[in-house]
Amino acid sequence: SYELTQPPSVSVSPGQTASITCSGDNLGEKYACWYQQKPGQSPVLVIYQDTKRPSGIPERFSGSNSGNTATLTISGTQAMDEADYYCQAWDSSTAVFGGGTKLTVL
Amino acid sequence: QVTLKESGPVLVKPTETLTLTCTVSGFSLSNARMGVSWIRQPPGKALEWLAHIFSNDEKSYSTSLKSRLTISKDTSKSQVVLTMTNMDPVDTATYFCARGALVGATVFDYWGQGTLVTVSS
Repeated sequence: SYELTQPPSVSVSPGQTASITCSGDNLGEKYACWYQQKPGQSPVLVIYQDTKRPSGIPERFSGSNSGNTATLTISGTQAMDEADYYCQAWDSSTAVFGGGTKLTVL
Repeated sequence: QVTLKESGPVLVKPTETLTLTCTVSGFSLSNARMGVSWIRQPPGKALEWLAHIFSNDEKSYSTSLKSRLTISKDTSKSQVVLTMTNMDPVDTATYFCARGALVGATVFDYWGQGTLVTVSS
C-alpha cells in the first residue's frame, strides 16, 4: 500500500522559515494536501492541490510538490503556527495520510 | 455555513459493531463535487483514513480495514453512516467525518469536531 513519510518533528525560531517534507513514490504525480492540527482540535486544511491556499489561510503558508517530495513551507513562522502537520494524497481511490510532523516554535 | 457532526456510542465492547453517524449541513450529499470521508485518530497518534462515499454512491475503503467497514448515506437526511465490525481495543480513537470536495483531487475542507470512541469490556 502507498505510504507517505514525514519527519516526526521540526523546530523553528519565531520569524524564521519552517519546511516540512512529505515523501512518497512519485508523489509529484499526485496532488498533495496539508492539514494543521492543534491540540484538542480538528484538522484544518492549509494547502491543497500542491500549492493552493484555502480562503482564510495566511500567505506565509505555501506548498510545493515535485518528484517524490512535497514540502510545506511556513515563512515568518509565528507562535500560533505550533501544531501537528499532516500531508495527504490519494492513491488508487484510497486516501493516505503521512505520519504527521510536530512543529515546535521556540 | 458548512458543518459536520459525528454521533454514536462513546463506549463499545470488544467484538461489538460500531455505528457512527455524520450529519451534515450547508451542502447536499447529492452535489456532484462533494463526498464524505471517515477518518480516525488514536490518542496521541496520526490520522488514519477509513472510508469515503462519493455523490454517486461510489464507495472507497482503507485496504487494511475494508473487510470490517461499511459506509452508506441517506441524502434525504443529510447523513453518512459508518459501521465497523468486530471492534477491538486498538480501535479506540477519535472518529472524524470530513467533507471531501473535488478540487483536482478530493480535499477534506471541512471537518466535524470528532467523537471519541473507547473500546473496552
